[in-house]
Amino acid sequence: EVHLLESGGGLVQPGGSLRLSCAVSGFTISSSAMTWVRQAPGKGLDWVSSIATPGYINYTDSVKGRFTVSRDNSKNTLYLQMNSLRPEDTAIYFCAKDMQASYWGQGTLVTVSS
Amino acid sequence: DVVMTQSPLSLAVTLGQPASISCRSSQSLVSSDGNTYLNWFQQRPGQSPRRLIYKVSNRDSGVPDRFSGSGSGTDFTLKISRVEAEDVGVFYCMQVTHWPRTFGQGTKVEIK
Repeated sequence: EVHLLESGGGLVQPGGSLRLSCAVSGFTISSSAMTWVRQAPGKGLDWVSSIATPGYINYTDSVKGRFTVSRDNSKNTLYLQMNSLRPEDTAIYFCAKDMQASYWGQGTLVTVSS
Repeated sequence: DVVMTQSPLSLAVTLGQPASISCRSSQSLVSSDGNTYLNWFQQRPGQSPRRLIYKVSNRDSGVPDRFSGSGSGTDFTLKISRVEAEDVGVFYCMQVTHWPRTFGQGTKVEIK
């Protein structure tokens, strides 16, 4: 059974950093593309980034140069390193399986506020 | 960026009645490989999204057959043949043909 579990969210001041994790079971991330999507409070879904199996990574313009996606195949875990955080980055962050977002985790809340 | 426009943005439906949601893209979603990467998601209150339909019309495993997707090019539709209480929530379309990926604004479905 496919299962994704995000963690690492919390309250951070503007300009700060956080690293989100997405622990996966039921498939191996080395053989699957992965996607990050976020949802600001009370708002719709926004695509953040996708990493392809060969390692190609795409980011939405608003996070380029600040966010970095990586994966640890030995831990079957996907990461989202978020630096220079801004109040507008406040959202629930979801990881999802593959480019088509076939399975989703429950999300982790990131709040950027002073 | 490809703009995804959903309509209506909210929908109140009587139990057992049909519902239809439109999703229009600002560019064709036909990929160079010939596929059209348009997916539909449902987000029930307090839950994470789940995918219902992929590549326009393919239902995911476990999705009731009252849900169906159709369309081509830039014009797509999600239909619920007979709305049930568990269908309450927000429905989103998402295009996975072009970068960056983009979602529609969401359509909130409630029971009348």
